Amino acid sequence: DAKTTQPNSMESNEEEPVHLPCNHSTISGTDYIHWYRQLPSQGPEYVIHGLTSNVNNRMASLAIAEDRKSSTLILHRATLRDAAVYYCILRAPFYNTDKLIFGTGTRLQVFP
Amino acid sequence: NAGVTQTPKFQVLKTGQSMTLQCAQDMNHEYMSWYRQDPGMGLRLIHYSVGAGITDQGEVPNGYNVSRSTTEDFPLRLLSAAPSQTSVYFCASSIGGGEGNQPQHFGDGTRLSIL
Repeated sequence: DAKTTQPNSMESNEEEPVHLPCNHSTISGTDYIHWYRQLPSQGPEYVIHGLTSNVNNRMASLAIAEDRKSSTLILHRATLRDAAVYYCILRAPFYNTDKLIFGTGTRLQVFP
Repeated sequence: NAGVTQTPKFQVLKTGQSMTLQCAQDMNHEYMSWYRQDPGMGLRLIHYSVGAGITDQGEVPNGYNVSRSTTEDFPLRLLSAAPSQTSVYFCASSIGGGEGNQPQHFGDGTRLSIL
């Protein structure tokens, strides 16, 4: 399984944009890039995913490098509720399974 | 819409006891899975199921059993609890199909302590 590399921690001030990086140099052509986040004492929560093109949804934006070896999750205006551990995960289309392989993620701190 | 429901939320066991962690989803999802999360670590896959009657092992299956008799339920059984199984357990579900582009929905977890 292709691995991802993320910084252990990042900090941001409230209402500022946050750019969370992820390196995945061994990504294959069929791997989707998924992002999940885990708020304190809760289960992981799906944020966004993409394959080649940049993606936007109500929670965040995902910017994917042209060579797909890295991606960036963008929170446009951080709030205190965005303080969480963010996981960047590669999902290969396995036959009939949806396995997720988690790393240790990036812990985002948001200051008022 | 309840999503993925896990019970109990907290449990304390003695070494050697057995118990079943319950997981139910109301989204008609084919794929269900169990993860454990130890302090400061990411989640690790224990067992998963691609549909009723079909289960398979994940990364850390030893000491756990699963079965999938219905689409809705996917219980996790600890046969003889050991202190090393102290962890937070998460159940997840998704539409399935293995396309790689389906989000997974997680429950709120069961916090299990083995004394």
